[in-house]
Amino acid sequence: SQKIEQNSEALNIQEGKTATLTCNYTNYSPAYLQWYRQDPGRGPVFLLLIRENEKEKRKERLKVTFDTTLKQSLFHITASQPADSATYLCALALNSGYALNFGKGTSLLVTP
Amino acid sequence: GAGVSQSPRYKVAKRGQDVALRCDPISGHVSLFWYQQALGQGPEFLTYFQNEAQLDKSGLPSDRFFAERPEGSVSTLKIQRTQQEDSAVYLCASSPAGAAAEQYFGPGTRLTVT
Repeated sequence: SQKIEQNSEALNIQEGKTATLTCNYTNYSPAYLQWYRQDPGRGPVFLLLIRENEKEKRKERLKVTFDTTLKQSLFHITASQPADSATYLCALALNSGYALNFGKGTSLLVTP
Repeated sequence: GAGVSQSPRYKVAKRGQDVALRCDPISGHVSLFWYQQALGQGPEFLTYFQNEAQLDKSGLPSDRFFAERPEGSVSTLKIQRTQQEDSAVYLCASSPAGAAAEQYFGPGTRLTVT
């Protein structure tokens, strides 16, 4: 069956460091992968989309890599700030190509 | 407002009651999705509309769940004879069109069945 796995443990890092979150998947051949941020009591917010023919994508302090051989995406936040504390969700398209299958998310806590 | 809105934000229902959850997508967005999110889990797909057509309802957990989008805009998710296991946050999302499009989520409706 199709599975998406994200770091199960919460990630605690110090302000200013780089946070790296992992998303591994099995039984998928995704055309693209998305990352979302979710704060408590709110819906997910879209951050980045990376396509299968893109190795890396950047947006401000965010960087995503996509390795279709390893079946893995890495999500980096450089120069992390306490405001980056949230849950980060990895998502792949379901068979329909439209709806998304989400991982459980990784909770990130950035301390001053 | 420019975002996706959902109402009510919180709903408490007694077991066996019917509930209706509303979603107002971003104006002009063709695609609309419903997801269910249990505590500590990622959102799980329930159903997908393209305009007024329900193209995929494979994620609906039982025939007690029903969704509609009659005019291709506002959508309602209805749950009949609610059970305790239906307690979750129900998220609505919309997107402009097509696959590989980012989805814009509403704040969700937290349903508690007692």
